Amino acid sequence: AQKVTQAQTEISVVEKEDVTLDCVYETRDTTYYLFWYKQPPSGELVFLIRRNSFDEQNEISGRYSWNFQKSTSSFNFTITASQVVDSAVYFCALTNNDMRFGAGTRLTVKP
Amino acid sequence: NAGVMQNPRHLVRRRGQEARLRCSPMKGHSHVYWYRQLPEEGLKFMVYLQKENIIDESGMPKERFSAEFPKEGPSILRIQQVVRGDSAAYFCASSPPASGSENEQFFGPGTRLTVL
Repeated sequence: AQKVTQAQTEISVVEKEDVTLDCVYETRDTTYYLFWYKQPPSGELVFLIRRNSFDEQNEISGRYSWNFQKSTSSFNFTITASQVVDSAVYFCALTNNDMRFGAGTRLTVKP
Repeated sequence: NAGVMQNPRHLVRRRGQEARLRCSPMKGHSHVYWYRQLPEEGLKFMVYLQKENIIDESGMPKERFSAEFPKEGPSILRIQQVVRGDSAAYFCASSPPASGSENEQFFGPGTRLTVL
């Protein structure tokens, strides 16, 4: 069975702080893909990143970075120097044939 | 290139009525997925369809819910005899043909169903 756990339900930080959103997954598959999506207050889902199970190289995109560790089945997401516009719900997802989402982490960045 | 389109964006139904939610995938995409997001919760997979075929419906409730993706036209998620617990946001996503899970799923804006 596939499962994604985002243990942090809500996180609140002050602008310019760094924040890490945790994601732990379970799967028996050797080939799988991990995603992060952002859902701002407007409700749409915004794709952030895709990572396949064979690529453990960490990735940085501007203020965003992702740390994929297969040994601990984790795919954590860090926002550096957070901004108010980063306030949203962030979902981690795991897919092989269908996509399983975590419950999401609501990030609030205060000015 | 238009993205995934869903309509209506908001739908209000009374208990016992039927709800029909439509999803037009991105141009060239032949895989469609439906997800439900209950208030304050994450997205739950419902069904995965390709043209004229249901590939995986393991997330669909056993009764009242059905989905189709005909050869022509949008994918339809149909909820019969709606109840208040069906109130949720329903998201559709699409991905290109010959795709497996490696492809990004492009999400529509969602349909927010309210059952009175």
